[in-house]
Amino acid sequence: QSVLTQPPSVSAAPGQKVTISCSGSSSNIGNHYVSWYQQVPGTAPKLLIYENNKRPSGIPDRFSGSRSGTSATLGITGLQTGDEADYYCGTWDSSLNVVLFGGGTKLTVL
Amino acid sequence: LQLQESGPGLVKPSETLSLTCTVSGGSISSSSYYWGWIRQPPGKGLECIGTLYYSRSTYYNPSLKSRVTISADTSKKQFSLNLSSVSVADTAVYYCARLLATYTYDVWGQGTMVTVSS
Repeated sequence: QSVLTQPPSVSAAPGQKVTISCSGSSSNIGNHYVSWYQQVPGTAPKLLIYENNKRPSGIPDRFSGSRSGTSATLGITGLQTGDEADYYCGTWDSSLNVVLFGGGTKLTVL
Repeated sequence: LQLQESGPGLVKPSETLSLTCTVSGGSISSSSYYWGWIRQPPGKGLECIGTLYYSRSTYYNPSLKSRVTISADTSKKQFSLNLSSVSVADTAVYYCARLLATYTYDVWGQGTMVTVSS
């Protein structure tokens, strides 16, 4: 069981909006930046969001991130079938001195 | 910047898993970055194995610390992972990646599948 908790799956129709939550504690999300990664099965993870809410070059503004207290949220608007993937949150844990990942959330675009 | 993992795809139980990550288009000696290994068992999530900073300081996942060594060869622009006393539970895709000071993995290798089996 992961220290960072994500819902196992979420789903929504094309064009709709979805949010994915990531819950942690004061030793991780509460005091460190959160990143989000997208992983299409069979490929390496890809950085979507860093420093809680910043997007790397090339990532569309349909993807957004936020952090409040010991939780973080990834939002995706205007869902496309190409958004179907696994999504992971990640952050540093100052008690364990390691980067932690959430258990991952499978997004299905119905 | 590109990262490429290499190493055996099959390792016997109790032996040592050894992988190398070759970095092209950048230096692993920079004080601006860390370099890390992450693994993903089949059908499961991501697990950070450990990171290397400035070619000498290391941080290991406590759950693997007794079996892990990460080191660098700056002349070859490579960093390596050694995981000793492997078992079937160590079967996974192993990724190398660059870690920023904000603890973000921004560049990833394509990953290499390692199977532990006799």
